[in-house]
Amino acid sequence: GENVEQHPSTLSVQEGDSAVIKCTYSDSASNYFPWYKQELGKRPQLIIDIRSNVGEKKDQRIAVTLNKTAKHFSLHITETQPEDSAVYFCAASKMETSYDKVIFGPGTSLSVIP
Amino acid sequence: NAGVTQTPKFQVLKTGQSMTLQCAQDMNHEYMSWYRQDPGMGLRLIHYSVGAGITDQGEVPNGYNVSRSTTEDFPLRLLSAAPSQTSVYFCASIPSGRASNEQFFGPGTRLTVL
Repeated sequence: GENVEQHPSTLSVQEGDSAVIKCTYSDSASNYFPWYKQELGKRPQLIIDIRSNVGEKKDQRIAVTLNKTAKHFSLHITETQPEDSAVYFCAASKMETSYDKVIFGPGTSLSVIP
Repeated sequence: NAGVTQTPKFQVLKTGQSMTLQCAQDMNHEYMSWYRQDPGMGLRLIHYSVGAGITDQGEVPNGYNVSRSTTEDFPLRLLSAAPSQTSVYFCASIPSGRASNEQFFGPGTRLTVL
């Protein structure tokens, strides 16, 4: 089955700097890659997703890149702000073709230092 | 819409007891899922359902049962609770129609097994 790895497990950056989180997946048939943000004590919420027919997607300060050949994808946050502090989860799924299980990575705890 | 609701919010069980965690959504979503969240291990999929009457196993199904008799409800049953099942449990659903693959999470149930 699908296995998703995520690095680093913790990340501290100064406010205004960029943050990069990297994930790898094992199932070459996976075609949908979402990123979720979970603030302390709250539920996970989708922040951005990418499909396998797209190499990069941007939404204001966040962007995701996908390398299908290498089976890895990354989240980029620019101009970080204290409110970006949270745990970020990547995930992989074959959801684009049919309903399927969504497998998450272990998460990255991001701290933005003012 | 109330979104995805979960009850109870907190529960303490003794080893060997059984209980059912409730999950409901009023958005007519076909896809529903259960995850457990443990420190450093991310969100691990327990079971999922692609529609009423259809369920399938996720990554960590042992010790848990599910059923999906209606579109709205997706209860998770712990047959004989063990301390290893101490965790935060999240239910999630995905809108029907396949326009979006975003999972909407419930607020979670914090379970402690003594």
